[in-house]
Amino acid sequence: DAMVIQNPRYQVTQFGKPVTLSCSQTLNHNVMYWYQQKSSQAPKLLFHYYDKDFNNEADTPDNFQSRRPNTSFCFLDIRSPGLGDAAMYLCATSSDTGFVETQYFGPGTRLLVL
Amino acid sequence: GNSVTQMEGPVTLSEEAFLTINCTYTATGYPSLFWYVQYPGEGLQLLLKATKADDKGSNKGFEATYRKETTSFHLEKGSVQVSDSAVYFCALSGLVYNQGGKLIFGQGTELSVKP
Repeated sequence: DAMVIQNPRYQVTQFGKPVTLSCSQTLNHNVMYWYQQKSSQAPKLLFHYYDKDFNNEADTPDNFQSRRPNTSFCFLDIRSPGLGDAAMYLCATSSDTGFVETQYFGPGTRLLVL
Repeated sequence: GNSVTQMEGPVTLSEEAFLTINCTYTATGYPSLFWYVQYPGEGLQLLLKATKADDKGSNKGFEATYRKETTSFHLEKGSVQVSDSAVYFCALSGLVYNQGGKLIFGQGTELSVKP
């Protein structure tokens, strides 16, 4: 089945220690998104890639970066995690950006910062 | 601005009860509307969607009708099961061309179904 895969499902890091979360997709979609979801809150969009074009949300902290080396993979880098960055990180894809595009989500990576 | 408001949870029901989760939106145009479901420890799954007024989205016994006159997209199911226990998110998109994938979420409503 075509799908969105996130690894690892759980990640523990130390305060200030860089961490990278991974997302891959077999849907061959042009667009990949990263969301941050804190406990009992709605997902918050951090940024997205349309193909190789990076689109950052205005309120995304500089501490969060992303890379998309090819169509299938996208990485979320947190340069210096703080305790407030502990959250579920969701990757999603869509075919295009147009007017209406259904997003397909991965299972998420839960990040714990010690 | 554009926003989505959902009824607060948690909602607790007995198995086979009727479910309604209210969702209203504020938008400057004519958005598409979605319901996503998030099971414990998992990512979001698209449950159903509607792209224009009076459209009805349906899936797995859940239904929602896009009501432009009341700016609402309430989720309903006639008989819930324990396996429906999850958090349900109402969302909109499609207000700006080339941002079709950008979702605006409601705060989520937790549903707990007891046997």
